[in-house]
Amino acid sequence: DTAVSQTPKYLVTQMGNDKSIKCEQNLGHDTMYWYKQDSKKFLKIMFSYNNKELIINETVPNRFSPKSPDKAHLNLHINSLELGDSAVYFCASRQGAAAEAFFGQGTRLTVV
Amino acid sequence: QKEVEQDPGPLSVPEGAIVSLNCTYSNSAFQYFMWYRQYSRKGPELLMYTYSSGNKEDGRFTAQVDKSSKYISLFIRDSQPSDSATYLCAMSVNTGNQFYFGTGTSLTVIP
Repeated sequence: DTAVSQTPKYLVTQMGNDKSIKCEQNLGHDTMYWYKQDSKKFLKIMFSYNNKELIINETVPNRFSPKSPDKAHLNLHINSLELGDSAVYFCASRQGAAAEAFFGQGTRLTVV
Repeated sequence: QKEVEQDPGPLSVPEGAIVSLNCTYSNSAFQYFMWYRQYSRKGPELLMYTYSSGNKEDGRFTAQVDKSSKYISLFIRDSQPSDSATYLCAMSVNTGNQFYFGTGTSLTVIP
């Protein structure tokens, strides 16, 4: 059983398109995150949801919109994709203030 | 200035060497200090975590935190080719809800 699963694993799309990435966790955690990892491996937080409520919304363009239909899911929708959006997007979950966050395998987004 | 600074490397060592990975940080409120390991094309996995200052040992891995210097280290003894990965330090405040990651250090252990 995969603890944190993301779909799709790879996504290649043209500039201007709208796309979604889905994330599901089966760990019963109350907090979920979206991170963006650039080509230099820097992990930057984008969004954090706690019990379906947005807690952190870092400086992210409005084209990115998270949606949490329930505690186990946190999806990321991206409008009007740009070349600079190309990166690996990771979903993660964590229980409260526990030290460990569990990451999904990542979605490699390439905008052409 | 970034919250967490980490030398990106790359670092290349022979098998059996002792590896030292380091991070510095600026926020004195950080209480939890973590090391994640990320293999190529995979998500990060927690390797070790330490609360506040001190040392923690787990097999070949030792994590050290020096809060007075705002400096953390991860030591890998008897390094193995399977240790080849990117190592990311991460930090969190005591009651906060966010991890701050370093940029990661790419390590290659040569057989």
